[in-house]
Amino acid sequence: AQSVTQPDIHITVSEGASLELRCNYSYGATPYLFWYVQSPGQGLQLLLKYFSGDTLVQGIKGFEAEFKRSQSSFNLRKPSVHWSDAAEYFCAVGAGGNKLVFGAGTILRVKS
Amino acid sequence: SAVISQKPSRDICQRGTSLTIQCQVDSQVTMMFWYRQQPGQSLTLIATANQGSEATYESGFVIDKFPISRPNLTFSTLTVSNMSPEDSSIYLCSVLSKSTDTQYFGPGTRLTVL
Repeated sequence: AQSVTQPDIHITVSEGASLELRCNYSYGATPYLFWYVQSPGQGLQLLLKYFSGDTLVQGIKGFEAEFKRSQSSFNLRKPSVHWSDAAEYFCAVGAGGNKLVFGAGTILRVKS
Repeated sequence: SAVISQKPSRDICQRGTSLTIQCQVDSQVTMMFWYRQQPGQSLTLIATANQGSEATYESGFVIDKFPISRPNLTFSTLTVSNMSPEDSSIYLCSVLSKSTDTQYFGPGTRLTVL
């Protein structure tokens, strides 16, 4: 069965520092991978996705993610974090039938 | 991406009652999904709702507890029946964009059951 692991429940970074959020997936075929962000009291907003092709994908708000098949990973990165990036981040894998399986989420705190 | 709205945005209900949540999208979509996000948890798929067919429920979710309607290509409802405090969650609908193979989410309905 498909699964997604986000090993970090909470991460705190200083404003202006770089960020990497980890995501590992389990899926038998070539995965469809997604990162979503959820701000407090909000729904989920798509940051970026990977289906095929270039393994480094660019998203909105300056985020990027790199697909590494050998490591079954799809880590999210941002070179310089802004206070407005504080939110919860979810990695998801397409599980067939257009379903999504989500990781547990990582809560990002940004300190000034 | 589609614009999705949900009503109500939040509600506080008494145990034993039922609440119907509406999801409206601004374009026609074939596939809609309903998710539950329990406090401090990730999202769990409740069911897939395709227009013109019965909803398909995931393991652990049953139609008697979570009946779903999908009367047309822009609208769906999820009812949470005979509620208990364990049903306190955020309920989110999403739609699949066929052109991008991507799900887009509504703002969610925050339900508290007393």
